[in-house]
Amino acid sequence: DAGVIQSPRHEVTEMGQEVTLRCKPISGHNSLFWYRQTMMRGLELLIYFNNNVPIDDSGMPEDRFSAKMPNASFSTLKIQPSEPRDSAVYFCASKSDREGNTIYFGEGSWLTVV
Amino acid sequence: AQSVAQPEDQVNVAEGNPLTVKCTYSVSGNPYLFWYVQYPNRGLQFLLKYITGDNLVKGSYGFEAEFNKSQTSFHLKKPSALVSDSALYFCAVRDIRNTDKLIFGTGTRLQVFP
Repeated sequence: DAGVIQSPRHEVTEMGQEVTLRCKPISGHNSLFWYRQTMMRGLELLIYFNNNVPIDDSGMPEDRFSAKMPNASFSTLKIQPSEPRDSAVYFCASKSDREGNTIYFGEGSWLTVV
Repeated sequence: AQSVAQPEDQVNVAEGNPLTVKCTYSVSGNPYLFWYVQYPNRGLQFLLKYITGDNLVKGSYGFEAEFNKSQTSFHLKKPSALVSDSALYFCAVRDIRNTDKLIFGTGTRLQVFP
């Protein structure tokens, strides 16, 4: 059974470039989360969707960040323009309302902005 | 305010000895509590959860956790530690204001020495 799939796993980009991170949730899951993990700030929830609709984006740091979920099996997190302080691990996670509150994480996208 | 506290940044234990990773919570009502583990360069993996019922919950890899309502604690335990248990452990509680979300602790790094 495939878990949450994220791509790319690693990305190194130059400051000012656009970065797009991709996520495929577990099939049948109806909630999708984007988290960011850094040494300084730990694990932060950026945004989450329920049934493809953004529900809470209060964790999105600023307008440079945007997220979309065009269908139940795909989501993107975009940073434009990227800055060195965006360097972090970005996790996508998903859950099913039928399975209670257990959230399942992907392996992460490791972003370095130089 | 709702919160989860992991009072120890790091726990060191010798292989074969019992281990405990501490977690306390602050939330009104009946808490839904979770433990996740993060191995180096990996995503968070679900270990176990407490929803209701028996206060002792058993999970993956031989881990268990004990829910103690009077002490508002949910400590993670294992009778005999393995070097391969070395990882970052996160405690989490369901957000009662938005039950889709989990509130994560800051994590405890477990180091098991041979």
